Amino acid sequence: SQQGEEDPQALSIQEGENATMNCSYKTSINNLQWYRQNSGRGLVHLILIRSNEREKHSGRLRVTLDTSKKSSSLLITASRAADTASYFCAPSMDSNYQLIWGAGTKLIIKP
Amino acid sequence: SQTIHQWPATLVQPVGSPLSLECTVEGTSNPNLYWYRQAAGRGLQLLFYSVGIGQISSEVPQNLSASRPQDRQFILSSKKLLLSDSGFYLCAWSGLQADRPQHFGDGTRLSIL
Repeated sequence: SQQGEEDPQALSIQEGENATMNCSYKTSINNLQWYRQNSGRGLVHLILIRSNEREKHSGRLRVTLDTSKKSSSLLITASRAADTASYFCAPSMDSNYQLIWGAGTKLIIKP
Repeated sequence: SQTIHQWPATLVQPVGSPLSLECTVEGTSNPNLYWYRQAAGRGLQLLFYSVGIGQISSEVPQNLSASRPQDRQFILSSKKLLLSDSGFYLCAWSGLQADRPQHFGDGTRLSIL
């Protein structure tokens, strides 16, 4: 399988804490993307990191990429109740740029 | 700005009935278009993608078909629905370049009875 696999499957933290989600993949990639999905809705693109980048920031989001370990992490700092959602990593394969989806991490922020 | 419309939001259909889900994109030209299915609590399974009018690639053998009659219109169809076709269907578009993100519609929840 060439899936992106997120870890943990579920994460529950207090509002204000930081949330870290990890992603592993199995093949050579062109880039890796992170998406958020609120319950029953479509996915929203959060951030894209290219294979030659190691770290990228966007607001309270920080993404790292380690191509030697075929892994990525998404850090959400100072979490808010509105961050409650499922988060998916989607590696884009080098060969055809298709996105490979894992099952996601379900994040719950407790007020 | 670009927008994507997908309808209907929910659909309940009997086994053996036909299906037509429509997706349209506004504000961009010649997008790549995608149909995904998502099972409950799972990731996305790519069903079809299209890089141009009349150009459809199928990722998995199945009971469904797709068509792109116009540049910004993508239709998912079935002649006879199966119970296993139940799920959450998502349409998405992206730019042509390899490193462009995908933008999703709000999905259609399809229940087969």
